Amino acid sequence: AQSVTQLDSHVSVSEGTPVLLRCNYSSSYSPSLFWYVQHPNKGLQLLLKYTSAATLVKGINGFEAEFKKSETSFHLTKPSAHMSDAAEYFCVGVTGANNLFFGTGTRLTVIP
Amino acid sequence: EAGVAQSPRYKIIEKRQSVAFWCNPISGHATLYWYQQILGQGPKLLIQFQNNGVVDDSQLPKDRFSAERLKGVDSTLKIQPAKLEDSAVYLCASSLVLEAFFGQGTRLTVV
Repeated sequence: AQSVTQLDSHVSVSEGTPVLLRCNYSSSYSPSLFWYVQHPNKGLQLLLKYTSAATLVKGINGFEAEFKKSETSFHLTKPSAHMSDAAEYFCVGVTGANNLFFGTGTRLTVIP
Repeated sequence: EAGVAQSPRYKIIEKRQSVAFWCNPISGHATLYWYQQILGQGPKLLIQFQNNGVVDDSQLPKDRFSAERLKGVDSTLKIQPAKLEDSAVYLCASSLVLEAFFGQGTRLTVV
């Protein structure tokens, strides 16, 4: 079975410090992986995507993620957190049949 | 490019009533999804369409939920009768290849 596991349900960082949101995947083959962000009362917005090209993927708003096959990980990072980054983040995998499978989400809190 | 449109944005109904949600996907997107997101949880797939055919509805409570996608474009999701535990945000998404685009969702409150 294919799945993604978000290792932290809640991450709290100070403004200006680095952000690390962790995601591990389980798949019999290299999946396509995405990070989505959901601000309160807003829809899900794509941050970045990995589709078996470059393993380091840059997204919007300064976020990036690195696909590490040896560790089956796809962690999301940002060098410096901004107050506007406070949101819920979802790691999402996609099968060949376009089935999306979501992680349980990580709530990011940014402390001023 | 216009995004995925959903209506209504908010709906409050009493238990045992019926409700319907509407979704207009991005033009040309063959795949359409309906997700249920309960407060504090990740989205759960209810049904996936490919054009007007159902690909996956294994988690759709078929005794009360129904969905259709006539002509492979717009879609409606209906709940009849609603239960308290149906209170959630219902998200519609569409996809051409891999990347899914989400609407803003319909927040349903069942009282």
